[in-house]
Amino acid sequence: DADVTQTPRNRITKTGKRIMLECSQTKGHDRMYWYRQDPGLGLRLIYYSFDVKDINKGEISDGYSVSRQAQAKFSLSLESAIPNQTALYFCATSEGRVVGGGAGELFFGEGSRLTVL
Amino acid sequence: QKEVEQDPGPLSVPEGAIVSLNCTYSNSAFQYFMWYRQYSRKGPELLMYTYSSGNKEDGRFTAQVDKSSKYISLFIRDSQPSDSATYLCAMMSPNSKLTFGKGITLSVRP
Repeated sequence: DADVTQTPRNRITKTGKRIMLECSQTKGHDRMYWYRQDPGLGLRLIYYSFDVKDINKGEISDGYSVSRQAQAKFSLSLESAIPNQTALYFCATSEGRVVGGGAGELFFGEGSRLTVL
Repeated sequence: QKEVEQDPGPLSVPEGAIVSLNCTYSNSAFQYFMWYRQYSRKGPELLMYTYSSGNKEDGRFTAQVDKSSKYISLFIRDSQPSDSATYLCAMMSPNSKLTFGKGITLSVRP
């Protein structure tokens, strides 16, 4: 089984619909992240959480919200989806401390492809 | 100027070629330098990291950092079709913020 699991893997929805993308991890990491990936724009951070009570906005948080339900679960919501939120979304985790070679290593899920019509 | 610039690609090379992938950056506070590899329909995975100027080798892969020029490179020797993927550079500042390049798609032709 994957260490970082995202559901759904693919979703097509319509403008104005509420969408939730879910992420669960078995790595035991405190830090969890949501990124979106767009062609020509790379990976951009939406939200991140360093523990259950600590949630922070990333560089493109407008139109998104998150919930950290437990150490292992971090969900991303689009309250009213719009077409320019069509993208590939990744959940990632990392260890909470910088430890030599572990510095900066993110462990990604396989992605959730969202299409908003 | 963006903090991290990466050659846009795509890049196509014959099997066995030496590949050079490059990124430049503007933030002199970056401390850790990483390369992630992303296969089609998968999430990125850490390939190599370094935190100092110089070269670091791992098999056919060499990561090079030149802090004075704010330039990092990833070299792939004897490239294989299995190396076909998107490669993203990433850099981390002291506050643990990670900044990614846009990625370059490499195709190695058999």
